[in-house]
Amino acid sequence: SAVISQKPSRDICQRGTSLTIQCQVDSQVTMMFWYRQQPGQSLTLIATANQGSEATYESGFVIDKFPISRPNLTFSTLTVSNMSPEDSSIYLCSVGGGNTIYFGEGSWLTVV
Amino acid sequence: GENVEQHPSTLSVQEGDSAVIKCTYSDSASNYFPWYKQELGKRPQLIIDIRSNVGEKKDQRIAVTLNKTAKHFSLHITETQPEDSAVYFCAASIGGSYIPTFGRGTSLIVHP
Repeated sequence: SAVISQKPSRDICQRGTSLTIQCQVDSQVTMMFWYRQQPGQSLTLIATANQGSEATYESGFVIDKFPISRPNLTFSTLTVSNMSPEDSSIYLCSVGGGNTIYFGEGSWLTVV
Repeated sequence: GENVEQHPSTLSVQEGDSAVIKCTYSDSASNYFPWYKQELGKRPQLIIDIRSNVGEKKDQRIAVTLNKTAKHFSLHITETQPEDSAVYFCAASIGGSYIPTFGRGTSLIVHP
């Protein structure tokens, strides 16, 4: 499976600020996704990052809050905008391979 | 859309015992069922999967069974060890679509 790197791995953010998470894959992939995992919870899909076009967002997630870029087949960014303590979560980049998806190491964000 | 129910939410066993985690799904079109293990502070990792044309699959101490008629599938871990302690997620998807629907997770605790 592909090697998926995320930056930052961890951060503490002030409320009202924005943070951009980067995801780099070591090979070209068609499907890239962003997930959120709130403390003690399951994995929730935020959006599918589409190369060269706007991301496809799931119900409950909007572009103004979670803008996503996908400039090429190996890289994507997720921005968490105007953060509040409720945004404290693990944000996971994932890629499709075979029939399933594989996850990056995650970005652990704490909003204070 | 697909709905995946997972039980129990917490499972505590003694080392050497067996552990069983059960999931049900709602969409009869789902035909691919992966299981992920998430150790504390780490990413979810695929540990085993099963396709709908197979009733059972084994990999050393781990096995997964699928009952398509009843729309349920289970993870079986035999001879549990403390390193099996983690959160386990089941998921269901339509093969090729990549995007799985996850269960809520089971926290498995193996006591030495």
